[in-house]
Amino acid sequence: AQSVTQPDIHITVSEGASLELRCNYSYGATPYLFWYVQSPGQGLQLLLKYFSGDTLVQGIKGFEAEFKRSQSSFNLRKPSVHWSDAAEYFCAVGPGKAAGNKLTFGGGTRVLVKP
Amino acid sequence: NAGVTQTPKFQVLKTGQSMTLQCAQDMNHNSMYWYRQDPGMGLRLIYYSASEGTTDKGEVPNGYNVSRLNKREFSLRLESAAPSQTSVYFCASPNIPGLAEGTDTQYFGPGTRLTVL
Repeated sequence: AQSVTQPDIHITVSEGASLELRCNYSYGATPYLFWYVQSPGQGLQLLLKYFSGDTLVQGIKGFEAEFKRSQSSFNLRKPSVHWSDAAEYFCAVGPGKAAGNKLTFGGGTRVLVKP
Repeated sequence: NAGVTQTPKFQVLKTGQSMTLQCAQDMNHNSMYWYRQDPGMGLRLIYYSASEGTTDKGEVPNGYNVSRLNKREFSLRLESAAPSQTSVYFCASPNIPGLAEGTDTQYFGPGTRLTVL
């Protein structure tokens, strides 16, 4: 069975500092990996996704993520955080077009941005 | 083009009451999903519908029923609400960009916050 672990429940970062959110997954086949962001009271918005090719993936809002198969990780990074990045972030893994494209989500990491 | 819409946005029920959460998408997608979101647990799949006329159980289907009314609409019903069903419910619909890519981007609705007393 597939699973996703986000080890950090909360992260506090100063505005302008760098941010890295950790994601570890367990999946038997080639994983399709996603990062979503959820602002307070909102639905989820896709930041970026990986399914093949270059292991460094660029997303929206200045985010990037790196797929490391040997470490079963897909960490999300941003070089300089803005106050508007305060939100909850979810990593997810899915089988792609097979099995109804069901996604398994991590528990989420809530990011607080200090001025 | 509204994407994925959900109604209602908020609902308070008493234990044992029933209600139906509505979801509609105007993107002409085949698949639709219902998730529930609970603190520290991320989103868990309740039911999904791969195409009109089909539905399948997800990870946490107990206490829920679904209906795929047509291609646009996918409703979630709680027949006898329980406090354990207090949660935020999200409907989602993936866009499968093509067989060559073999993956999808799931578009989420704004959510329904349900409290069962």
